[in-house]
Amino acid sequence: DTAVSQTPKYLVTQMGNDKSIKCEQNLGHDTMYWYKQDSKKFLKIMFSYNNKELIINETVPNRFSPKSPDKAHLNLHINSLELGDSAVYFCASSQLTQRNYGYTFGSGTRLTVV
Amino acid sequence: TQLLEQSPQFLSIQEGENLTVYCNSSSVFSSLQWYRQEPGEGPVLLVTVVTGGEVKKLKRLTFQFGDARKDSSLHITAAQPGDTGLYLCAGLTDSWGKLQFGAGTQVVVTP
Repeated sequence: DTAVSQTPKYLVTQMGNDKSIKCEQNLGHDTMYWYKQDSKKFLKIMFSYNNKELIINETVPNRFSPKSPDKAHLNLHINSLELGDSAVYFCASSQLTQRNYGYTFGSGTRLTVV
Repeated sequence: TQLLEQSPQFLSIQEGENLTVYCNSSSVFSSLQWYRQEPGEGPVLLVTVVTGGEVKKLKRLTFQFGDARKDSSLHITAAQPGDTGLYLCAGLTDSWGKLQFGAGTQVVVTP
């Protein structure tokens, strides 16, 4: 199936820990994104990579570090997790030159920091 | 301050009724996209509107882009329980593909 897949689906961890979320797309898209959805369902962009190059870097704590080893993969590493990091994190992809065709989202990673 | 204001925040209707969701902004967008999100899943693209004044139909869903490309609406005719979900509008503001989302409208259609 062509898709954007993220792992893990659920992540429960203690404050202060470091964790990573992985994302892969097999749609042949050249751009990938990380979005954070808060408890009120508001989606906010965090980062975007185009062909492994960082093109969008919103105001996000530097504890969050994205990494794109190739254009099909975008990972998110979070250091020293805090309670406020609890949210659902979505990976998405698009073809930048066809951005009006919209994003394809993964099914999300629900991060709970206790 | 959110770039896109969606209204209403919540809508509960009976099967067979019609509904309209609004998405407004003071900014101009190169395109506006509508997504539907179901619990435990990511948003799924419904439609993209690009031209001011454009109207697109997807079965019982009608999408309109304002003439000035600052606002949009989604109208559902004869709603069905399967239309239940969180409807999100999103505006494209730059050439890097950055989508700004509205806060969403939760629609519940009861049989």
